[in-house]
Amino acid sequence: GENVEQHPSTLSVQEGDSAVIKCTYSDSASNYFPWYKQELGKRPQLIIDIRSNVGEKKDQRIAVTLNKTAKHFSLHITETQPEDSAVYFCAASKGGSYIPTFGRGTSLIVHP
Amino acid sequence: GAGVSQSPSNKVTEKGKDVELRCDPISGHTALYWYRQSLGQGLEFLIYFQGNSAPDKSGLPSDRFSAERTGGSVSTLTIQRTQQEDSAVYLCASKTTGTGPLFGPGTRLTVT
Repeated sequence: GENVEQHPSTLSVQEGDSAVIKCTYSDSASNYFPWYKQELGKRPQLIIDIRSNVGEKKDQRIAVTLNKTAKHFSLHITETQPEDSAVYFCAASKGGSYIPTFGRGTSLIVHP
Repeated sequence: GAGVSQSPSNKVTEKGKDVELRCDPISGHTALYWYRQSLGQGLEFLIYFQGNSAPDKSGLPSDRFSAERTGGSVSTLTIQRTQQEDSAVYLCASKTTGTGPLFGPGTRLTVT
């Protein structure tokens, strides 16, 4: 089955810096890659996603990139703010039996 | 409401008792998932329902766990003879075409 590795497990940045979280996947048939943000005690929230037919997608301060050849994808957050502090999860899935496999999460801490 | 709802929000039970957790997905969403999240950990897949197809039960950790989805809508996750290691947050998510799974607020289960 699919295996998703996520790094780093913890990321500490200063407010205003950029943050990058990287994930790799094992199944070349995976074609959908969502990212979730989970604040303490809250539910995971879908913040951005990318499909395998594009290499990059942006939404304000957040962007995702996908390298299908290398089977890795990344989340980029620019101009980080304290409210970006949360655990971020990447996931990978493929058409048909659509069951996302999640990475283990990255705890992002943005220091004011 | 517009989102996925779950009940109860918190459940404390004694070891050996049975529990039922309920999920109301977003109206019209044909796919429904159950995940489990232990404290500070990632998202562990349990079971997946898609329309009228047979559910994918490959993530259920033991035969003490079962789930039903009635009428293609509400789902109930049942844990029989609960054990302390069952303590976790149980998250339900639903999905429609073109989106990633959207999560409910979860049920925090504590087995004493």
